[in-house]
Amino acid sequence: EAGVAQSPRYKIIEKRQSVAFWCNPISGHATLYWYQQILGQGPKLLIQFQNNGVVDDSQLPKDRFSAERLKGVDSTLKIQPAKLEDSAVYLCASSLSLNSGANVLTFGAGSRLTVL
Amino acid sequence: DQQVKQNSPSLSVQEGRISILNCDYTNSMFDYFLWYKKYPAEGPTFLISISSIKDKNEDGRFTVFLNKSAKHLSLHIVPSQPGDSAVYFCAAIGGVGGFKTIFGAGTRLFVKA
Repeated sequence: EAGVAQSPRYKIIEKRQSVAFWCNPISGHATLYWYQQILGQGPKLLIQFQNNGVVDDSQLPKDRFSAERLKGVDSTLKIQPAKLEDSAVYLCASSLSLNSGANVLTFGAGSRLTVL
Repeated sequence: DQQVKQNSPSLSVQEGRISILNCDYTNSMFDYFLWYKKYPAEGPTFLISISSIKDKNEDGRFTVFLNKSAKHLSLHIVPSQPGDSAVYFCAAIGGVGGFKTIFGAGTRLFVKA
């Protein structure tokens, strides 16, 4: 079974520039998540999709972050304009569905963003 | 709003001994608790989970204990191996957060050969 694919793995930009991250979840997984992990902290949920609908985006800074999951498969996360404090690893994860017991997440390797 | 807390940033253990990683939580409505393991430059991977209606779950060298009255869970690794050196995240799901998985800050485990 192929894992969760993310790209790019690394990105360096200057503040006020824009960046986009792409994620392809495990085939058949209905639920997709974007997490932000700042160095020394645990992953923080930014947005959660069930198929192509948003379930939770309460912690997404909507003035600069946007995400979409067209056709309920791939997803993109965009930041525009970036701030220094956006430097983090952006983790994409997927799970079978929200109603699957412990709802185990499968993570991609992450996209490391450095904002200068 | 730290609903899941891992107060020890790091832990060092000798190979063959027991590793005990601790986690505290504040929301008594969580349904499941999970442990994830993370190696550098990789995403977290699922290790073991426990339902809130149980007090122990075991899988090979890994055992998770849940003390609901104390709102505390712990992960025991016996015997510890050098390959267990990683960051371990405690996570919880359910309750007011619905199906959101909330992570602790992680504990870095070093297993010395």
